[in-house]
Amino acid sequence: NAGVTQTPKFQVLKTGQSMTLQCAQDMNHEYMSWYRQDPGMGLRLIHYSVGAGITDQGEVPNGYNVSRSTTEDFPLRLLSAAPSQTSVYFCASTSRWGAIEAFFGQGTRLTVV
Amino acid sequence: DAKTTQPPSMDCAEGRAANLPCNHSTISGNEYVYWYRQIHSQGPQYIIHGLKNNETNEMASLIITEDRKSSTLILPHATLRDTAVYYCIVPTSGTYKYIFGTGTRLKVLA
Repeated sequence: NAGVTQTPKFQVLKTGQSMTLQCAQDMNHEYMSWYRQDPGMGLRLIHYSVGAGITDQGEVPNGYNVSRSTTEDFPLRLLSAAPSQTSVYFCASTSRWGAIEAFFGQGTRLTVV
Repeated sequence: DAKTTQPPSMDCAEGRAANLPCNHSTISGNEYVYWYRQIHSQGPQYIIHGLKNNETNEMASLIITEDRKSSTLILPHATLRDTAVYYCIVPTSGTYKYIFGTGTRLKVLA
């Protein structure tokens, strides 16, 4: 009964490095999304996916790439990390059918130096 | 997404009811109101949702006005563990895109 699993929990990157934040869910949810949360702020939507092979941009997509090759996984790629991307990143998944709650992971705290 | 407006902060005495308001005056007829909370820096946790009728579950009650332009989340007997940021969200129907505002920071006082 894992729900939404994010890895890693913490990461420090140097400016210009690339990395992938992993997100996996075991609930067979169609809809998955990525958010970032800066200190003292609410969550902002980066990218989302309504199913395997389908992705779209959210509020703040620049500097991030996503793909959805399977229902279970939705990785978030930082192509060239910048200090402005220092944040806590949350992944969420939702069943597409009906008014159903979203399940959030516990977050990845990323620092770019 | 329908824009939501919440007070930035509220205090509540332990054991008393906490009433958290939310305005969503541009809500459409088929859009639901969702409430989530975030404790410290954990992932947001679902509390309750509703369309037009009042709803109650083991965590809280949701009161939606008849014109659906506002709602109130009620925690009937607040405890210290209810201290958190509470978010009211109205996703555009069929999109599942949650637009978070800054929420209401509820502090439950001993």
